[in-house]
Amino acid sequence: SAVISQKPSRDICQRGTSLTIQCQVDSQVTMMFWYRQQPGQSLTLIATANQGSEATYESGFVIDKFPISRPNLTFSTLTVSNMSPEDSSIYLCSVDQRVTDTQYFGPGTRLTVL
Amino acid sequence: DAKTTQPTSMDCAEGRAANLPCNHSTISGNEYVYWYRQIHSQGPQYIIHGLKNNETNEMASLIITEDRKSSTLILPHATLRDTAVYYCIVRAYFGNEKLTFGTGTRLTIIP
Repeated sequence: SAVISQKPSRDICQRGTSLTIQCQVDSQVTMMFWYRQQPGQSLTLIATANQGSEATYESGFVIDKFPISRPNLTFSTLTVSNMSPEDSSIYLCSVDQRVTDTQYFGPGTRLTVL
Repeated sequence: DAKTTQPTSMDCAEGRAANLPCNHSTISGNEYVYWYRQIHSQGPQYIIHGLKNNETNEMASLIITEDRKSSTLILPHATLRDTAVYYCIVRAYFGNEKLTFGTGTRLTIIP
């Protein structure tokens, strides 16, 4: 299975600021996904990031709020912009491993916005 | 919307088999059944997946009914560390498809 790391593991931020979350994979993958998990809720997909192309956002999520970079096949970043307390969530990246047709998840970034 | 229905919560005695049901009556012929679990806000952990045959690995067994409209995840000897939220998800074959998470089943293992 793919080994995925995220930085930071947690952060506490002030409203109006931005935070960039990094996701690193130990192997080259085509598709990377970013999910949000609000307190007490299930996971919701934010966007799909394909290397070399613009990310594809799900309904309710926009690029200005959640810009994503995917500079190579092992790395991606998600920025949470102009944060408000409603953005307090766990943010998770995942990757699709074609060989096993399975998605694997990182440990998540726990964000608290004051 | 999630295409699966699971009980909200279940309890199981430590050492016994935990059987977690999932209904997916609208599953398509090209969709697999995947199971993940999430232990206390950690990243979801992949458990097992299958198309139509029963599957077994070191973590669990997956039993899919012949009509593929439901399945059961079996943890053969539950331990306290198996306490988690278990998600049953259907996803098209050939991947590159998002996982749509429902509310899952909160499994509590009782000492």
